[in-house]
Amino acid sequence: AQKVTQAQTEISVVEKEDVTLDCVYETRDTTYYLFWYKQPPSGELVFLIRRNSFDEQNEISGRYSWNFQKSTSSFNFTITASQVVDSAVYFCALSESRGGADGLTFGKGTHLIIQP
Amino acid sequence: GAGVSQSPSNKVTEKGKDVELRCDPISGHTALYWYRQSLGQGLEFLIYFQGNSAPDKSGLPSDRFSAERTGGSVSTLTIQRTQQEDSAVYLCASSPHFGELFFGEGSRLTVL
Repeated sequence: AQKVTQAQTEISVVEKEDVTLDCVYETRDTTYYLFWYKQPPSGELVFLIRRNSFDEQNEISGRYSWNFQKSTSSFNFTITASQVVDSAVYFCALSESRGGADGLTFGKGTHLIIQP
Repeated sequence: GAGVSQSPSNKVTEKGKDVELRCDPISGHTALYWYRQSLGQGLEFLIYFQGNSAPDKSGLPSDRFSAERTGGSVSTLTIQRTQQEDSAVYLCASSPHFGELFFGEGSRLTVL
């Protein structure tokens, strides 16, 4: 069975600090996909990134970066120079199915608070 | 609008009543998903449609829950004889391809 653990329930930092959100996953499959979603106060979930299990290259998109390490089954998300608008709940998710038939298994989310 | 539309946005009902939640996906998206988000919990997968068919219904919490999709577009999630533990936000998402789900704003269900 697949499982996603986001151990940090809530993180609070001051604006401009860097912050890393942890995600640890469990799966028996060799082929799987990892995702991060952002849920701002408005409630609508926003897709951030998708990575497949064969691509361990780290990715950077502006102030966002993701560190995928199969050796530790982790897919951590770092925001550099955080801004108040980054305040949201962030969900890490895993899917073992290429076709999406099993849906995504989400972690319980990390509530990120960026204080001005 | 261009996004996933869900209705009603808020529903308060009495225990034992039936409720129907509607999802209008983004035009052209063949995949449609229903999730449930309970207070303090993560997102719980309920059901997935590819076109009008649902290959896997095992995520539905009980036989009081059912879902259908017609015309490869609008989907309805029906909860019969609602219980208080059904109170949650029900999220619908659609996808043009695997992984990039576009979520609606959800339907908040409160069962008194």
